[in-house]
Amino acid sequence: GESVGLHLPTLSVQEGDNSIINCAYSNSASDYFIWYKQESGKGPQFIIDIRSNMDKRQGQRVTVLLNKTVKHLSLQIAATQPGDSAVYFCAENGGRTSGTYKYIFGTGTRLKVLA
Amino acid sequence: DGGITQSPKYLFRKEGQNVTLSCEQNLNHDAMYWYRQDPGQGLRLIYYSQIVNDFQKGDIAEGYSVSREKKESFPLTVTSAQKNPTAFYLCASARTGWAFFGQGTRLTVV
Repeated sequence: GESVGLHLPTLSVQEGDNSIINCAYSNSASDYFIWYKQESGKGPQFIIDIRSNMDKRQGQRVTVLLNKTVKHLSLQIAATQPGDSAVYFCAENGGRTSGTYKYIFGTGTRLKVLA
Repeated sequence: DGGITQSPKYLFRKEGQNVTLSCEQNLNHDAMYWYRQDPGQGLRLIYYSQIVNDFQKGDIAEGYSVSREKKESFPLTVTSAQKNPTAFYLCASARTGWAFFGQGTRLTVV
């Protein structure tokens, strides 16, 4: 079935450096993508989203890039801070043409910020 | 404040018992979802509901049941047929766009 996966399970970054978290998706019909941050013992929190008619979207310290040609999504975090340490998930909302409307999550990447 | 509330935060179940996890939202969202998360893993979809009185199975529905009698509520029952129910359960709701998650219920079989 459709799946969303991540290349790296753990990413260690020095405080102040930029972080890049990658994600691959397999469903060509996906038209909406989301990045979530999950801290230990808590529910995922929305970070940023992007629709398939865009290549790039920026938020506060975060940027999401979408490459539909190779079905790749990335999350860039600028000037990584200790509070950014968490697990990051990408998710796709399967294309609505099928009538379905469900979110498919990848395995997640743990980001560790080193002081 | 609008939000989504899951209760209880921690739940212990004896083998062979059914338990029900509560999920309530006051965001006026039509869609609601239940996910299961195992340690160090991603979220797997159990059930989802687009409108009241309608719901669909997700990828791992066996051993679970749901109801959607009210827009605000989407309770999940973990039945005795679920052989490995120990996990972190997450409820979410959405209108259009991204899903908003609750803080989860950690279920442990004792």
